[in-house]
Amino acid sequence: GESVGLHLPTLSVQEGDNSIINCAYSNSASDYFIWYKQESGKGPQFIIDIRSNMDKRQGQRVTVLLNKTVKHLSLQIAATQPGDSAVYFCAEKWNTGFQKLVFGTGTRLLVSP
Amino acid sequence: SAVISQKPSRDICQRGTSLTIQCQVDSQVTMMFWYRQQPGQSLTLIATANQGSEATYESGFVIDKFPISRPNLTFSTLTVSNMSPEDSSIYLCSVVITVGNTIYFGEGSWLTVV
Repeated sequence: GESVGLHLPTLSVQEGDNSIINCAYSNSASDYFIWYKQESGKGPQFIIDIRSNMDKRQGQRVTVLLNKTVKHLSLQIAATQPGDSAVYFCAEKWNTGFQKLVFGTGTRLLVSP
Repeated sequence: SAVISQKPSRDICQRGTSLTIQCQVDSQVTMMFWYRQQPGQSLTLIATANQGSEATYESGFVIDKFPISRPNLTFSTLTVSNMSPEDSSIYLCSVVITVGNTIYFGEGSWLTVV
C-alpha cells in the first residue's frame, strides 16, 4: 500500500552513542528520499536527503544510507545529544504526476543524559 | 531554505464551524501541498494546491470538506469545513522551492474541535 514503514517505533540511547533509525519504503520507482525531524509542538524539519542514484550521503553528524535492492533507508546520527530527541520520519517521493511525498510512521528517539 | 508562515498557529473551534488556514512562503516555489497529522501519527497528504486551478485531492479527501485556494505562487489557503472532533489535527503546509528542489514544511496549524 501507500506506506513507508519503520522497524522501531521508539529508540532509546545514551548521550554520546551513535543512533541508527531504519525505514523500509514501498515504491521501487521512488527517486528521492528525505529524513525529517519533528520536535514536540513543531513542524517537520528537513535533516538530509538522498537521490536514488546515490547510496550514501553525509551531513553534519548525520549520514543517510540507501539500499535500493531491499528498499531500505537508514539515518545514522553520530554522538547523539539530548537535543536530538524527537520523532524522525522518512519520506519517499513518488514519481507520479504530482510527485507525491509519502511518509513513514515515525520513530521516536529518546536520548538520555 | 524557505520561511513558511502559517496562520493560525493554534485554534479551538466549535463543532460545525469552518476554519481557513493560510500559508505564505517567502521564496519562489514550484509546488505547494497540504498535509494532515492526526495526534500521535504520521503525515498524510490531503491535496496538492495548484495555482489558479482546482486542487488535486488524495483518496479520502474531498473538495467540499477541504476547499483549497492558491491564487499565486507563494500563497495558499486550506479550509476545514463543518468541523467535527475527528478533524482535530495538525494541518501542515509544505512547499517545493525552486532553488534546490527541496521540500519544506511550515510549523503547522494545531486545531482542536470541541
